[in-house]
Amino acid sequence: GESVGLHLPTLSVQEGDNSIINCAYSNSASDYFIWYKQESGKGPQFIIDIRSNMDKRQGQRVTVLLNKTVKHLSLQIAATQPGDSAVYFCAENRGTYKYIFGTGTRLKVLA
Amino acid sequence: DAEITQSPRHKITETGRQVTLACHQTWNHNNMFWYRQDLGHGLRLIHYSYGVQDTNKGEVSDGYSVSRSNTEDLPLTLESAASSQTSVYFCASSESQGTGNTIYFGEGSWLTVV
Repeated sequence: GESVGLHLPTLSVQEGDNSIINCAYSNSASDYFIWYKQESGKGPQFIIDIRSNMDKRQGQRVTVLLNKTVKHLSLQIAATQPGDSAVYFCAENRGTYKYIFGTGTRLKVLA
Repeated sequence: DAEITQSPRHKITETGRQVTLACHQTWNHNNMFWYRQDLGHGLRLIHYSYGVQDTNKGEVSDGYSVSRSNTEDLPLTLESAASSQTSVYFCASSESQGTGNTIYFGEGSWLTVV
């Protein structure tokens, strides 16, 4: 079936360490991917995106890697801060309205 | 800054009542969406619209309706609220047709049906 999933439901990291959040997708036809951050009681916030013709994209403290061979997406957060604590989820896009969202990974930053 | 505004942010209603959740976007985006978010599920699409007077059903549209009379607004109506519709509702928008359009979300409307 079609799915976008996450390997780890909860990830705990020490403040200052790097975080890696993973996502698997099943449809090779998907050509656009987005990572969102969702804090408690708030709406999903766009972090970074990547198109299928790329394998890496960098933003401010964040990097998204796309491995189309194994249908895998990851979000790397450098020097994780307490403000990074949230649920992160990925989305794959296959058309104007066709977005498939993962259930999310909770990132906990330990002081 | 452009944004998506949802109202009310929190509502408690009784079973059988009609409820309307408002969504207003200032991005001037053509596409607007309503999703619901429940524990154990990713965001699920209720309805979407490609533009004025256009509305389409998503994967969980039963019991919901939308209308699009202008570019900025896409109100979501629950015709007869049911307990199964207790959820968090997110309005979203994206710019144009095709893939590769970032979808932006509002802050959510928490609905409890008692």
